[in-house]
Amino acid sequence: KNQVEQSPQSLIILEGKNCTLQCNYTVSPFSNLRWYKQDTGRGPVSLTIMTFSENTKSNGRYTATLDADTKQSSLHITASQLSDSASYICVVSGPLRGNNRLAFGKGNQVVVIP
Amino acid sequence: GAVVSQHPSWVICKSGTSVKIECRSLDFQATTMFWYRQFPKQSLMLMATSNEGSKATYEQGVEKDKFLINHASLTLSTLTVTSAHPEDSSFYICSARDLNPLETFFGQGTRLTVV
Repeated sequence: KNQVEQSPQSLIILEGKNCTLQCNYTVSPFSNLRWYKQDTGRGPVSLTIMTFSENTKSNGRYTATLDADTKQSSLHITASQLSDSASYICVVSGPLRGNNRLAFGKGNQVVVIP
Repeated sequence: GAVVSQHPSWVICKSGTSVKIECRSLDFQATTMFWYRQFPKQSLMLMATSNEGSKATYEQGVEKDKFLINHASLTLSTLTVTSAHPEDSSFYICSARDLNPLETFFGQGTRLTVV
């Protein structure tokens, strides 16, 4: 079972609308959680990074939340734009198997339509 | 912010040939770089950890003789896919870890197509 689960797998939203992506993880102990945006055929680009003591972090129209007690995070996109169409990947860092490895979710595929 | 440059962004090669992919950290030194493979609609799969000045650490199931990794300097790691076959066609991504502040940056990715 993947240590990072994201939902929904994919969604289509109208331009200008908001959406929220979910990430649940089982990594423990936990170091930090990151959200990345990956355009098709490109490498992931960092949006936010949060440690266990942070509850929310914003980057422009992107706002990430973190509940370290329930091991849940969300990424909220406000006033979506066509350029927001991408895969959003939740990445959790923790001392996995003795190394500070990254555990990747499969991504939320977002398509913004006009 | 820190930038990781990956080259080439795409490559087409004949079956049986070898292909080299470069990963450079442009404004920070990276003692550790990572190589991933990504299939369509799937998450990144760690292939190996590249350590500057020493041998790479490969994940289970990844053939070290197939995917040669060289990390000769603090800013450059290379992945060579040897004797490539069509099943090696994939999207390969590298990343490098900046220690101050602690952050991981990804390259742009390389689309490899073996024909």
